[in-house]
Amino acid sequence: AQKITQTQPGMFVQEKEAVTLDCTYDTSDQSYGLFWYKQPSSGEMIFLIYQGSYDEQNATEGRYSLNFQKARKSANLVISASQLGDSAMYFCAMRVHSGGYQKVTFGIGTKLQVIP
Amino acid sequence: NAGVTQTPKFQVLKTGQSMTLQCAQDMNHEYMSWYRQDPGMGLRLIHYSVGAGITDQGEVPNGYNVSRSTTEDFPLRLLSAAPSQTSVYFCASSYLGRGLEETQYFGPGTRLLVL
Repeated sequence: AQKITQTQPGMFVQEKEAVTLDCTYDTSDQSYGLFWYKQPSSGEMIFLIYQGSYDEQNATEGRYSLNFQKARKSANLVISASQLGDSAMYFCAMRVHSGGYQKVTFGIGTKLQVIP
Repeated sequence: NAGVTQTPKFQVLKTGQSMTLQCAQDMNHEYMSWYRQDPGMGLRLIHYSVGAGITDQGEVPNGYNVSRSTTEDFPLRLLSAAPSQTSVYFCASSYLGRGLEETQYFGPGTRLLVL
């Protein structure tokens, strides 16, 4: 079975500072993908960044980077230079092949609030 | 492209009523899925489909039915609504054969209140 753990229910960060949102995962699969999604107060789910289990370099997308530590089974999201618009819920998710189909498991999310 | 669309955006039901949440995508995605989002529990998979005529249960399927007669549509049916089904429902779709990096595209969500 797959599991995603996000242990920070809520986080505060000062505008223009960097913040790290934690995510650990558990799977027996060797091949998997890790995703981060942002959900602003308007409710839509926005894809931010992806990391594959065989990727040797950490993924980056603009101000977002994924700190991937495979041995520790962690995939933390780092947001640099926080902006007020970064205030949202953030979900970590994992995708694996399961019985010929792909299965996606989500964490419970972290609520980030950016303070002016 | 409209992407993934969901209707209605908001619905109030009485216990025991039935309804269908509609989901459609115009990206020719093979994989479609339904999630429910509850506070403190993230998104949980209800049902999914890997193509027309093929569906399977997810993590929390009880009380919900699905069918997939076309690639584009994936409706979710509540046969007899219960207060425990009060939630926000998301439909999502993606390509299936392009590898694990293929992200899901989400609809805007349907907020359901069961009284």
